[in-house]
Amino acid sequence: AQSVAQPEDQVNVAEGNPLTVKCTYSVSGNPYLFWYVQYPNRGLQFLLKYITGDNLVKGSYGFEAEFNKSQTSFHLKKPSALVSDSALYFCAVRDPTNYGGSQGNLIFGKGTKLSVKP
Amino acid sequence: NAGVTQTPKFRILKIGQSMTLQCTQDMNHNYMYWYRQDPGMGLKLIYYSVGAGITDKGEVPNGYNVSRSTTEDFPLRLELAAPSQTSVYFCASSRTDEAFFGQGTRLTVV
Repeated sequence: AQSVAQPEDQVNVAEGNPLTVKCTYSVSGNPYLFWYVQYPNRGLQFLLKYITGDNLVKGSYGFEAEFNKSQTSFHLKKPSALVSDSALYFCAVRDPTNYGGSQGNLIFGKGTKLSVKP
Repeated sequence: NAGVTQTPKFRILKIGQSMTLQCTQDMNHNYMYWYRQDPGMGLKLIYYSVGAGITDKGEVPNGYNVSRSTTEDFPLRLELAAPSQTSVYFCASSRTDEAFFGQGTRLTVV
């Protein structure tokens, strides 16, 4: 079964410092990986995805993620954190073998709360 | 462009009551989903639909029902509300890879 793990419940970063939010996955076949962000009392917003191609994926708001097949990881990164980046971040993997065939279902991690202090 | 719209935003139900959570999207997406979000648990799929007239169960379907009579609308029905259904509910839609989410419905069953 597909699964996603976010090992950190919370990440604290000072504004201007680089940030990393970790994600590891377990899939059979090629992974379809996603990062979403959730601001308080809002729905999830798509940040970026990895389907195939370059291992470094660039997304919205200056975020990027590095796909590492050997380590089965898809860590979210940003070179310089902003206070406004404080939110809940979810890593997700698509399960093409279940719940809808080729579109499948998104299997979410538990989320990591990012706190950026001034 | 409204995207995915959910109503209501908040609701308090008494045990045993019924209600329908509304979801509509204006992006002509075939795929629609209902998730519930519990603290520290991520999101769990309740039901999904691959197109009008076609629905199927997700990971946690018990206590819920759905219908998809049009491409735009995907309502979620709770027939006999239970405290275990206290949660935040998100509707989402997709065409290909990325899903678009509504702002959520916070439901409390007392």
